[in-house]
Amino acid sequence: AQTVTQSQPEMSVQEAETVTLSCTYDTSESDYYLFWYKQPPSRQMILVIRQEAYKQQNATENRFSVNFQKAAKSFSLKISDSQLGDAAMYFCAYRIPPTNAGGTSYGKLTFGQGTILTVHP
Amino acid sequence: NAGVTQTPKFRVLKTGQSMTLLCAQDMNHEYMYWYRQDPGMGLRLIHYSVGEGTTAKGEVPDGYNVSRLKKQNFLLGLESAAPSQTSVYFCASSHNRASGNTIYFGEGSWLTVV
Repeated sequence: AQTVTQSQPEMSVQEAETVTLSCTYDTSESDYYLFWYKQPPSRQMILVIRQEAYKQQNATENRFSVNFQKAAKSFSLKISDSQLGDAAMYFCAYRIPPTNAGGTSYGKLTFGQGTILTVHP
Repeated sequence: NAGVTQTPKFRVLKTGQSMTLLCAQDMNHEYMYWYRQDPGMGLRLIHYSVGEGTTAKGEVPDGYNVSRLKKQNFLLGLESAAPSQTSVYFCASSHNRASGNTIYFGEGSWLTVV
């Protein structure tokens, strides 16, 4: 079974500084996707960044980037130039593509426990 | 630009009452999911559907039923609500072969069972 682990229940950062959130996962699949979702107090799930496992290049979206280490099954999120609006719960998630899913996976997202990020002014 | 829409957004139920949460998506997605989120936890899959007329159990299906009579709608039913079902419910959808295989979420439905 696939599992996703976020070992940092809480993290904090000063505004304008950089913070890295950790995520590890366990899978025997070779083709999968990894995601970071942001959940502000409104509880809306906002996609931050996505990484395809077959791509060696780390994904980047503006101030957000990932460090994807496939062999180590590690997928960390780096937030540069942190802003007050970045404060939220962050979830790491794993997904086998539906077209390749076997058994009962059917492309479901498996989530980590989440990391609460606080940004100090 | 509706995306995934959930109704109602808030509901308070008494123990034993029944209700239905409606999820509607306008992206012609084949796959739809219902998740629940409890305090301090990630989302857990309740039920899912891979197409119109099909449904299947997820990780935590007990106490819930679902139906997918139309491709764009996925209903989540609670036949006899229990306090343990107090949670935030999220509907999500995706194509079965979309760029990046992204799942799109609704805004959540807050359910309190007293």
